[in-house]
Amino acid sequence: QVQLVQSGAEVKKPGASVKVSCKASGYSFMSYGMTWLRQAPGQGLEWMGWISAHSTNTKYSQKLQGRVSMTTDTSTTTAYMELRSLTSDDTAVYFCARGNHQLDPWGQGTLVTVSS
Amino acid sequence: EIVLTQSPGALSVSPGERATLSCRASQSVSSSYLAWYQQKPGQAPRLLIYGASIRATGVPDRFSGSGSGTDFTLTISRLEPEDFAVYYCHYYGSSPITFGQGTRLEIK
Repeated sequence: QVQLVQSGAEVKKPGASVKVSCKASGYSFMSYGMTWLRQAPGQGLEWMGWISAHSTNTKYSQKLQGRVSMTTDTSTTTAYMELRSLTSDDTAVYFCARGNHQLDPWGQGTLVTVSS
Repeated sequence: EIVLTQSPGALSVSPGERATLSCRASQSVSSSYLAWYQQKPGQAPRLLIYGASIRATGVPDRFSGSGSGTDFTLTISRLEPEDFAVYYCHYYGSSPITFGQGTRLEIK
């Protein structure tokens, strides 16, 4: 079945970086891009950006531009999202989701906690 | 940027009854790019409806979507216990893609 499995929870200090992985299986990785989103505690969903399967095209949220990078590794069918210069406002659950239209399926989420 | 406003913020309904959730866009949008998701506590969102009215694979037929222009509706015809969750609408026809703030469906 189509599945996205994300890396485990992270605790980071302010100013650090975090890199979250999303391993895809059960479909042709080359046929879909990957969208990244996040959800702060008790809040709604925020779009972070999108990357094509080949990494040739990316589109990032204006809010995060300059701090976020998305990549893919087609040999391992894995997508990555790196966020730099972390602050407490970046504490959230981070999700990957297949596609850039309707998003289906989603990864299980990765909790990133930023705390000194 | 398209702003999506969902109403009500929370809705209390008894099992077996109908629930109607609303999503209003800040300007007229194409219904081809409007989706609905269900999110239960501690879980990732699950796609229910896309193209405003097309049920995703495996979604029960008690879920239906409708609407056009600026007004869209998700209807759950006979609520089951597992339907109590938060529901989000999502527009993906322009950049940035946007989400409504969610409607929490609670058991009455």
